[in-house]
Amino acid sequence: GAGVSQSPSNKVTEKGKDVELRCDPISGHTALYWYRQSLGQGLEFLIYFQGNSAPDKSGLPSDRFSAERTGGSVSTLTIQRTQQEDSAVYLCASSFRQGARTEAFFGQGTRLTVV
Amino acid sequence: DAKTTQPNSMESNEEEPVHLPCNHSTISGTDYIHWYRQLPSQGPEYVIHGLTSNVNNRMASLAIAEDRKSSTLILHRATLRDAAVYYCILDRPGTYKYIFGTGTRLKVLA
Repeated sequence: GAGVSQSPSNKVTEKGKDVELRCDPISGHTALYWYRQSLGQGLEFLIYFQGNSAPDKSGLPSDRFSAERTGGSVSTLTIQRTQQEDSAVYLCASSFRQGARTEAFFGQGTRLTVV
Repeated sequence: DAKTTQPNSMESNEEEPVHLPCNHSTISGTDYIHWYRQLPSQGPEYVIHGLTSNVNNRMASLAIAEDRKSSTLILHRATLRDAAVYYCILDRPGTYKYIFGTGTRLKVLA
Protein backbone atom coordinates (compact mmCIF):
# COMPACT_ATOMS: atom_id res chain seq x y z
CA GLY A 1 0.00 0.00 0.00
CA ALA A 2 0.95 3.65 -0.20
CA GLY A 3 0.66 4.45 3.49
CA VAL A 4 2.84 3.97 6.55
CA SER A 5 2.86 0.34 7.56
CA GLN A 6 3.54 -0.92 11.07
CA SER A 7 3.98 -4.45 12.28
CA PRO A 8 2.87 -6.28 14.23
CA SER A 9 -0.49 -4.63 14.80
CA ASN A 10 -0.73 -6.26 18.21
CA LYS A 11 1.95 -7.68 20.46
CA VAL A 12 1.58 -9.33 23.83
CA THR A 13 4.80 -9.99 25.67
CA GLU A 14 5.88 -11.09 29.10
CA LYS A 15 7.50 -8.66 31.45
CA GLY A 16 11.27 -8.73 31.03
CA LYS A 17 11.27 -9.82 27.39
CA ASP A 18 12.59 -7.70 24.53
CA VAL A 19 10.33 -6.58 21.69
CA GLU A 20 10.92 -5.11 18.25
CA LEU A 21 8.38 -2.94 16.49
CA ARG A 22 8.72 -2.23 12.79
CA CYS A 23 7.77 0.76 10.69
CA ASP A 24 7.78 0.99 6.89
CA PRO A 25 7.45 4.66 5.96
CA ILE A 26 6.07 6.05 2.76
CA SER A 27 8.64 5.71 -0.01
CA GLY A 28 10.67 8.88 -0.47
CA HIS A 29 9.82 10.36 2.90
CA THR A 30 12.93 11.68 4.57
CA ALA A 31 11.58 12.14 8.07
CA LEU A 32 10.37 9.39 10.40
CA TYR A 33 8.85 9.76 13.86
CA TRP A 34 7.98 7.40 16.68
CA TYR A 35 5.32 8.27 19.24
CA ARG A 36 3.77 6.43 22.16
CA GLN A 37 0.15 6.74 23.21
CA SER A 38 -0.98 5.34 26.52
CA LEU A 39 -4.64 4.57 27.06
CA GLY A 40 -6.74 7.72 26.92
CA GLN A 41 -3.70 9.97 26.62
CA GLY A 42 -2.20 12.18 23.94
CA LEU A 43 0.82 11.28 21.87
CA GLU A 44 4.24 11.28 23.50
CA PHE A 45 7.18 12.01 21.20
CA LEU A 46 9.91 9.38 21.33
CA ILE A 47 12.42 9.83 18.50
CA TYR A 48 12.85 11.55 15.12
CA PHE A 49 14.99 10.60 12.12
CA GLN A 50 15.75 13.01 9.28
CA GLY A 51 17.81 11.81 6.33
CA ASN A 52 21.38 11.08 7.32
CA SER A 53 21.37 13.43 10.30
CA ALA A 54 21.80 12.19 13.85
CA PRO A 55 18.39 11.25 15.25
CA ASP A 56 16.66 13.34 17.91
CA LYS A 57 16.35 10.83 20.75
CA SER A 58 15.24 13.35 23.34
CA GLY A 59 11.88 11.68 23.93
CA LEU A 60 13.08 8.16 24.68
CA PRO A 61 11.94 7.46 28.27
CA SER A 62 14.85 5.24 29.30
CA ASP A 63 17.91 3.46 27.97
CA ARG A 64 15.76 0.36 27.50
CA PHE A 65 14.35 2.07 24.41
CA SER A 66 16.32 2.36 21.19
CA ALA A 67 15.53 2.82 17.52
CA GLU A 68 17.33 2.61 14.25
CA ARG A 69 16.54 3.42 10.69
CA THR A 70 18.29 1.36 8.08
CA GLY A 71 19.07 2.77 4.65
CA GLY A 72 16.94 5.78 5.30
CA SER A 73 13.81 3.68 5.09
CA VAL A 74 12.56 1.00 7.47
CA SER A 75 12.79 1.73 11.19
CA THR A 76 12.78 -0.58 14.18
CA LEU A 77 11.92 0.47 17.73
CA THR A 78 13.36 -1.92 20.30
CA ILE A 79 12.28 -2.11 23.91
CA GLN A 80 14.50 -4.21 26.14
CA ARG A 81 13.40 -5.84 29.39
CA THR A 82 9.82 -4.67 28.93
CA GLN A 83 7.86 -3.38 31.90
CA GLN A 84 4.11 -3.15 32.38
CA GLU A 85 4.25 0.63 32.07
CA ASP A 86 5.52 0.15 28.51
CA SER A 87 2.05 -1.04 27.51
CA ALA A 88 0.75 1.45 24.97
CA VAL A 89 0.11 1.99 21.29
CA TYR A 90 3.33 2.83 19.45
CA LEU A 91 2.75 5.02 16.43
CA CYS A 92 5.10 5.69 13.56
CA ALA A 93 4.81 8.60 11.14
CA SER A 94 6.73 9.77 8.12
CA SER A 95 6.86 12.99 6.18
CA PHE A 96 8.66 14.63 3.31
CA ARG A 97 10.37 17.38 5.21
CA GLN A 98 10.31 20.52 3.09
CA GLY A 99 10.74 23.68 5.08
CA ALA A 100 7.98 23.84 7.64
CA ARG A 101 5.42 22.02 5.51
CA THR A 102 5.55 18.80 7.39
CA GLU A 103 2.30 17.00 6.85
CA ALA A 104 2.96 13.74 8.62
CA PHE A 105 1.35 10.45 7.71
CA PHE A 106 0.76 8.05 10.58
CA GLY A 107 0.54 4.31 10.62
CA GLN A 108 -2.18 2.40 12.44
CA GLY A 109 0.14 1.69 15.34
CA THR A 110 1.32 -1.36 17.25
CA ARG A 111 -0.60 -2.11 20.41
CA LEU A 112 1.88 -3.46 22.93
CA THR A 113 0.65 -5.26 26.03
CA VAL A 114 3.15 -6.32 28.66
CA VAL A 115 1.80 -8.97 31.02
CA ASP B 1 8.66 23.50 23.30
CA ALA B 2 5.74 25.65 22.25
CA LYS B 3 2.51 24.57 23.95
CA THR B 4 -1.11 24.69 22.95
CA THR B 5 -4.25 24.65 25.08
CA GLN B 6 -7.51 23.11 23.96
CA PRO B 7 -10.79 22.25 25.70
CA ASN B 8 -10.96 18.62 26.72
CA SER B 9 -14.24 17.93 24.97
CA MET B 10 -16.96 19.45 22.82
CA GLU B 11 -20.28 18.34 21.44
CA SER B 12 -22.01 19.23 18.22
CA ASN B 13 -25.17 18.25 16.46
CA GLU B 14 -24.89 16.53 13.13
CA GLU B 15 -24.84 18.84 10.10
CA GLU B 16 -24.13 21.90 12.21
CA PRO B 17 -20.85 23.88 12.12
CA VAL B 18 -18.25 23.19 14.77
CA HIS B 19 -15.64 25.65 15.97
CA LEU B 20 -12.73 24.03 17.79
CA PRO B 21 -10.54 26.59 19.60
CA CYS B 22 -6.84 26.46 20.37
CA ASN B 23 -4.71 28.85 22.37
CA HIS B 24 -1.00 29.17 21.63
CA SER B 25 0.10 32.30 23.42
CA THR B 26 3.82 31.41 23.23
CA ILE B 27 3.81 31.04 19.46
CA SER B 28 6.81 32.50 17.66
CA GLY B 29 6.80 34.27 14.32
CA THR B 30 7.92 31.25 12.31
CA ASP B 31 5.75 28.58 13.95
CA TYR B 32 3.18 26.95 11.72
CA ILE B 33 -0.15 25.92 13.23
CA HIS B 34 -1.14 22.36 12.38
CA TRP B 35 -4.29 20.43 13.12
CA TYR B 36 -4.56 16.67 13.18
CA ARG B 37 -7.40 14.42 14.18
CA GLN B 38 -7.46 10.89 15.49
CA LEU B 39 -10.42 8.69 14.76
CA PRO B 40 -11.08 5.80 17.15
CA SER B 41 -8.47 3.05 16.93
CA GLN B 42 -6.51 4.84 14.20
CA GLY B 43 -3.37 6.90 13.91
CA PRO B 44 -3.72 10.67 13.65
CA GLU B 45 -4.45 12.18 10.24
CA TYR B 46 -3.56 15.60 8.92
CA VAL B 47 -6.39 18.10 8.69
CA ILE B 48 -4.98 21.51 7.86
CA HIS B 49 -2.16 23.91 8.63
CA GLY B 50 -1.41 27.62 8.30
CA LEU B 51 0.96 30.40 9.23
CA THR B 52 -0.82 33.75 9.26
CA SER B 53 -3.69 33.78 6.80
CA ASN B 54 -6.90 31.82 7.11
CA VAL B 55 -6.84 28.56 5.18
CA ASN B 56 -9.49 26.40 3.57
CA ASN B 57 -9.35 22.87 2.27
CA ARG B 58 -11.82 20.12 1.54
CA MET B 59 -11.86 18.96 5.15
CA ALA B 60 -12.02 22.18 7.13
CA SER B 61 -11.12 25.83 7.52
CA LEU B 62 -8.52 27.33 9.79
CA ALA B 63 -9.06 30.78 11.21
CA ILE B 64 -5.96 32.37 12.74
CA ALA B 65 -6.21 35.35 15.06
CA GLU B 66 -4.44 38.51 13.99
CA ASP B 67 -1.95 38.23 16.87
CA ARG B 68 -1.59 34.48 16.13
CA LYS B 69 -2.04 33.63 19.79
CA SER B 70 -5.09 31.55 19.01
CA SER B 71 -6.71 29.72 16.14
CA THR B 72 -9.98 27.95 15.40
CA LEU B 73 -10.59 24.86 13.34
CA ILE B 74 -13.96 25.04 11.62
CA LEU B 75 -15.86 22.02 10.42
CA HIS B 76 -18.62 23.49 8.30
CA ARG B 77 -21.09 20.61 8.63
CA ALA B 78 -20.25 18.02 11.23
CA THR B 79 -20.99 14.42 10.41
CA LEU B 80 -20.88 11.36 12.64
CA ARG B 81 -17.59 10.45 10.96
CA ASP B 82 -16.04 13.64 12.32
CA ALA B 83 -16.21 12.30 15.88
CA ALA B 84 -12.54 12.19 16.87
CA VAL B 85 -9.88 13.78 19.02
CA TYR B 86 -8.60 16.96 17.40
CA TYR B 87 -5.05 18.10 18.09
CA CYS B 88 -3.69 21.59 17.58
CA ILE B 89 0.11 21.56 17.24
CA LEU B 90 2.80 24.13 16.63
CA ASP B 91 5.47 23.22 14.09
CA ARG B 92 8.63 25.17 14.87
CA PRO B 93 11.14 25.06 12.02
CA GLY B 94 14.35 23.46 13.21
CA THR B 95 12.83 21.42 16.03
CA TYR B 96 11.04 18.84 13.90
CA LYS B 97 9.08 17.15 16.64
CA TYR B 98 5.39 17.68 16.97
CA ILE B 99 4.32 18.06 20.59
CA PHE B 100 0.81 16.70 20.95
CA GLY B 101 -1.33 17.80 23.87
CA THR B 102 -4.41 15.92 25.00
CA GLY B 103 -6.54 17.46 22.26
CA THR B 104 -10.28 18.05 22.10
CA ARG B 105 -12.58 15.06 21.95
CA LEU B 106 -15.43 15.97 19.60
CA LYS B 107 -18.71 14.16 20.02
CA VAL B 108 -21.23 14.50 17.20
CA LEU B 109 -24.84 13.89 18.08
CA ALA B 110 -27.23 12.41 15.54
